[in-house]
Amino acid sequence: EAGVAQSPRYKIIEKRQSVAFWCNPISGHATLYWYQQILGQGPKLLIQFQNNGVVDDSQLPKDRFSAERLKGVDSTLKIQPAKLEDSAVYLCASRTEIYGYTFGSGTRLTVV
Amino acid sequence: TQLLEQSPQFLSIQEGENLTVYCNSSSVFSSLQWYRQEPGEGPVLLVTVVTGGEVKKLKRLTFQFGDARKDSSLHITAAQPGDTGLYLCAGAPQAAGNKLTFGGGTRVLVKP
Repeated sequence: EAGVAQSPRYKIIEKRQSVAFWCNPISGHATLYWYQQILGQGPKLLIQFQNNGVVDDSQLPKDRFSAERLKGVDSTLKIQPAKLEDSAVYLCASRTEIYGYTFGSGTRLTVV
Repeated sequence: TQLLEQSPQFLSIQEGENLTVYCNSSSVFSSLQWYRQEPGEGPVLLVTVVTGGEVKKLKRLTFQFGDARKDSSLHITAAQPGDTGLYLCAGAPQAAGNKLTFGGGTRVLVKP
């Protein structure tokens, strides 16, 4: 089966600008996750969707981060406005009971 | 304080040597997973351990799950340069449903 698709692969923006990332999970995977991975650390969960509903967004900085999965398929994660500490790799993953978690290649964000 | 503590954070060895990476927690996990992540890519699942005391082998990699299901280890025999990467343990605490939490990772460098 095809993997989890993410775009763009890289993004450089200035602080206070806005940015959006896109994720297309594996077809049929109802559960979708966004993780933030700061250099040298393990991924940290930002938000979990089940179909088009939010299951857990307790670690999402809601003053600047937002995410949606309107049709229960692809998803977007937005940061507005970006801060220097948002520089990280943003990983999308989808999950099924049988195949477990599959991660995309991530979007590397640099905020300057 | 991270839910899953990995040690060491960094390991540099010569080709042919053995290495062990540890993953510890004070929480009980229904299962733990090990991932390897290469630069510019998302984590790739290596193995899932489910039963306390379980040992799984994947070629030169041996994974153990502690009897109390609070810790795990990854042992690589006769390491090769292709084993270089970031090794991550991850699990969903019993009380947290499918919310996958990662350890901080162990960066392994195998020099030829």
